[in-house]
Amino acid sequence: QVQLVQSGAEVKKPGASVKVSCKASGYTFTSYGISWVRQAPGQGLEWMGWISAYNGNTNYAQKLQGRVTMTTDTSTSTAYMELRSLRSDDTAVYYCARIGWPSGWFDPWGQGTLVTVSS
Amino acid sequence: NFMLTQPHSVSESPGKTVTISCTGSSGSIASNYVQWYQQRPGSAPTTVIYEDNQRPSGVPDRFSGSIDSSSNSASLTISGLKTEDEADYYCQSYDSSNHGVFGGGTKLTVL
Repeated sequence: QVQLVQSGAEVKKPGASVKVSCKASGYTFTSYGISWVRQAPGQGLEWMGWISAYNGNTNYAQKLQGRVTMTTDTSTSTAYMELRSLRSDDTAVYYCARIGWPSGWFDPWGQGTLVTVSS
Repeated sequence: NFMLTQPHSVSESPGKTVTISCTGSSGSIASNYVQWYQQRPGSAPTTVIYEDNQRPSGVPDRFSGSIDSSSNSASLTISGLKTEDEADYYCQSYDSSNHGVFGGGTKLTVL
């Protein structure tokens, strides 16, 4: 079955960077894109951006431009999201999700990775 | 900036029907497909409606989606409510720059 498995929880200090992985299985990785979505504690879903696993093209949310980088490793069917210059308000659960076309719907989702930014 | 607005919360009794709205801030909501996601506490979201009105396999036909261009809104309707439907529901679409946009989420209480 199609599955996305994310890396484990992280605790980082303000100003540090975090890199979350998302390993895909059960489908042809390069035929779909991957989107990243985050959810701060008690808050709603926030779209962060997407990456095409076919050609590496990316599209990032404006508020994260310059701090986020999304990449893929097609040899291991893994997507990565790196967020730099972490602040306390980056504390959130980070999800990856496969992008279905043509609507761009997100399915399935990874289990989520909690990133805590604290001094 | 394109935004999607949802009611903060709705509640209804088991067996009844509830409709959750999702209103677009500008342009035509029909320009891009709308999806609906269900999120139970402590779990990742799952899709209940994609491409305005399509149900993924495994989602019961009690869930339906629609678009109303006159009010620039999308709706998720859940009929024959069950206690297991109690969750947060998010609508999602894209703006003109192909950036994803989520509604603020609606907490459904089945009491």
